[in-house]
Amino acid sequence: DTGVSQDPRHKITKRGQNVTFRCDPISEHNRLYWYRQTLGQGPEFLTYFQNEAQLEKSRLLSDRFSAERPKGSFSTLEIQRTEQGDSAMYLCASSSPSGLAGAYNEQFFGPGTRLTVL
Amino acid sequence: AQSVTQLGSHVSVSEGALVLLRCNYSSSVPPYLFWYVQYPNQGLQLLLKYTSAATLVKGINGFEAEFKKSETSFHLTKPSAHMSDAAEYFCAVRGSGGSNYKLTFGKGTLLTVNP
Repeated sequence: DTGVSQDPRHKITKRGQNVTFRCDPISEHNRLYWYRQTLGQGPEFLTYFQNEAQLEKSRLLSDRFSAERPKGSFSTLEIQRTEQGDSAMYLCASSSPSGLAGAYNEQFFGPGTRLTVL
Repeated sequence: AQSVTQLGSHVSVSEGALVLLRCNYSSSVPPYLFWYVQYPNQGLQLLLKYTSAATLVKGINGFEAEFKKSETSFHLTKPSAHMSDAAEYFCAVRGSGGSNYKLTFGKGTLLTVNP
């Protein structure tokens, strides 16, 4: 399977604990995105990497959240001191480099990590 | 800022009936628009996209959507629903300018197909 993979698929934690999720993008994709999807809502953009550089962070990403992509390949999303409001599906997507300026390259989504904070 | 509104959080149709899922957009620039489908416990899969070429866009699984600038709409249709179409559908718009990599999604429409 050469699609986007995410690990773990499900995570249950207690309030106040730290959690870390991993995303492995499609191998030739240099762009990587994190989205959060809460119940009854569409995905909301969290952050974006081009290679190893984090180019944008949403206001949704509080100081308790940190994302990295150290070698421009896989990415991790860490949540410190989890709160019940962090319960959501965390989706990762990747896309290939844009050839033409303004061209759109499809974002391919992983299966997501469902976080439940008790 | 770009945004989309999906009318109807839940649509129920009979197998073989027409599927119509509604999406209206708001954009300060010519939009790029998308429909994604999400099956239970899975990620999102692109159904189709509008990128300012033909206004009638055909996608996978027999779905199509028509871009209507005058109505700021991008409704998704399928002539005959199949049981396997039961899923959640999301309309999305691409960001503009320096944020053109960012997708903004609607709240989704859950499609139920009755036998």
